[in-house]
Amino acid sequence: DGGITQSPKYLFRKEGQNVTLSCEQNLNHDAMYWYRQDPGQGLRLIYYSQIVNDFQKGDIAEGYSVSREKKESFPLTVTSAQKNPTAFYLCASSPWGLRTSGANVLTFGAGSRLTVL
Amino acid sequence: AQSVAQPEDQVNVAEGNPLTVKCTYSVSGNPYLFWYVQYPNRGLQFLLKYITGDNLVKGSYGFEAEFNKSQTSFHLKKPSALVSDSALYFCAVRDNNQGGKLIFGQGTELSVKP
Repeated sequence: DGGITQSPKYLFRKEGQNVTLSCEQNLNHDAMYWYRQDPGQGLRLIYYSQIVNDFQKGDIAEGYSVSREKKESFPLTVTSAQKNPTAFYLCASSPWGLRTSGANVLTFGAGSRLTVL
Repeated sequence: AQSVAQPEDQVNVAEGNPLTVKCTYSVSGNPYLFWYVQYPNRGLQFLLKYITGDNLVKGSYGFEAEFNKSQTSFHLKKPSALVSDSALYFCAVRDNNQGGKLIFGQGTELSVKP
């Protein structure tokens, strides 16, 4: 079955530690995204990537880093510089391009819940 | 600035009654509008989208949405609510100035009681 796999589902981190969240897709989508979800604040875009080896900052990129070495993979690192990292993190993918069928129809993973102890 | 607003944090409906979840938007250029649903501790699922054409868009699970250009609204509707429709609903608009990424509203919690 095609889809997006996020791991781990739950993650606990001590203050000062970096953690990496995995996101893998087998949908052959060009674009991938990372969102952060906090209660009452909806989804906020952290980073997105339209193509391999290229990515752009979203609205709340500070304290986060990403890489896009393969089309299928878009890992997110939450660094110690992120002051309030406890949140639910969602990875998504979609086709890309103004005239591409299905563009902007995002497929989401099941999410990773990060808690800082 | 381009944005989307969901004015209600929560909507309560009795099973079998019609439901409406409201969404208004502000965007430069043509609006591309979307609705997604999220069940507890899960990712979002796509429900429907408006790109162009008929103002009434039909989507998954019996949901539909009405695009109103003059009121800049894109309300989600269903004629007869089910308890299983209880979830968090997000409206989104395509950011035409930022390469096409989506801007999400804050979400509306729909509660359908038997």
